Amino acid sequence: EAGVAQSPRYKIIEKRQSVAFWCNPISGHATLYWYQQILGQGPKLLIQFQNNGVVDDSQLPKDRFSAERLKGVDSTLKIQPAKLEDSAVYLCASSQDRGLKGAIYFGEGSWLTVV
Amino acid sequence: RKEVEQDPGPFNVPEGATVAFNCTYSNSASQSFFWYRQDCRKEPKLLMSVYSSGNEDGRFTAQLNRASQYISLLIRDSKLSDSATYLCVGTYNQGGKLIFGQGTELSVKP
Repeated sequence: EAGVAQSPRYKIIEKRQSVAFWCNPISGHATLYWYQQILGQGPKLLIQFQNNGVVDDSQLPKDRFSAERLKGVDSTLKIQPAKLEDSAVYLCASSQDRGLKGAIYFGEGSWLTVV
Repeated sequence: RKEVEQDPGPFNVPEGATVAFNCTYSNSASQSFFWYRQDCRKEPKLLMSVYSSGNEDGRFTAQLNRASQYISLLIRDSKLSDSATYLCVGTYNQGGKLIFGQGTELSVKP
């Protein structure tokens, strides 16, 4: 079974530029998550989708971050304009059962460096 | 106060040692708890679930104490391959929001 696919794997941009990350979840998984993981910290939930609806985006900095999952399958996370503190790994994850059993599956992540 | 707190370590132990990690959570409404493992520069992966009755999987034992809002992970007979960061995770709401702790780094030495 194919895992969670993410691209690009690595991105370096200057501050104030924009960047977009793409995620394709495991087939059949209705729940999709975007997490931000800063070096030395645990993953922080940015946004959670159930199909194409947003379940939780309370920690998404909406002045610069946006995410969509228009057809309830793949998703895009955008940052515009980027700040130095946005340097992190952006992890996409998916689950069948809204994570209630704890089994959410992560992609390899998109590593962002803002200079 | 963070919703899920862990001692970041690092824990440096010799092979064969027994090591225990602790985690506390602040929201008594938390429903379920899990331990994830994250290898260096890799994505987190589910290690095991945590139940009040305890959960054992080979050399790993997880325990939940709801009265004290405390979760533990015990690793017996440590192997070099156990070196990783261990993340404590709690779920909230029926929507299954997963909150991760900052992780505890374990380094097992020969």
